[in-house]
Amino acid sequence: SQQGEEDPQALSIQEGENATMNCSYKTSINNLQWYRQNSGRGLVHLILIRSNEREKHSGRLRVTLDTSKKSSSLLITASRAADTASYFCASQGAQKLVFGQGTRLTINP
Amino acid sequence: EPEVTQTPSHQVTQMGQEVILRCVPISNHLYFYWYRQILGQKVEFLVSFYNNEISEKSEIFDDQFSVERPDGSNFTLKIRSTKLEDSAMYFCASSTTLGQGGETQYFGPGTRLLVL
Repeated sequence: SQQGEEDPQALSIQEGENATMNCSYKTSINNLQWYRQNSGRGLVHLILIRSNEREKHSGRLRVTLDTSKKSSSLLITASRAADTASYFCASQGAQKLVFGQGTRLTINP
Repeated sequence: EPEVTQTPSHQVTQMGQEVILRCVPISNHLYFYWYRQILGQKVEFLVSFYNNEISEKSEIFDDQFSVERPDGSNFTLKIRSTKLEDSAMYFCASSTTLGQGGETQYFGPGTRLLVL
């Protein structure tokens, strides 16, 4: 079955620095989606990258996808204190999303 | 901007009781999903629903669980006889179509269920 796993599990950086989170999955996918979750709250969709795409940008977010390595990365540039949250990748084959464990990102002012 | 809504936001129930979690998906969406997240763990898929029937379900979604779209707007998850291990945050999600390459799933704010 698909399993998304994030790396690192926790990341703490200074405001203004860039944050990079990685994700791996195990089977073929149609797309990979990244979500953000503030503590105890809902999942906010950030970006979707399709299996035939290699890179996608949205504002300060940059996502890459390497289907040969079954991996993806999320880069947040010029981080802000408000970016503090957990970030999850979710791979989609047919219908369901398979989520990873998430990366807990802390931005220190 | 349209969003998925869920009620209640919190529910406390006694073990063995039935609970119904409610969701209103985005109005023009056709695919509906339930996921759950046990505290400190990853989000897990429960079930997907399309054209008034279950299209996929996980091993978690056993006979204690059922889903229904009772009218044109609501989508419900029923747990017939709750267990302690059902305590979790339950998320509803919806998407327009599957399409080639899939589509974004939009999540509701969740219902936090606590079984005592």
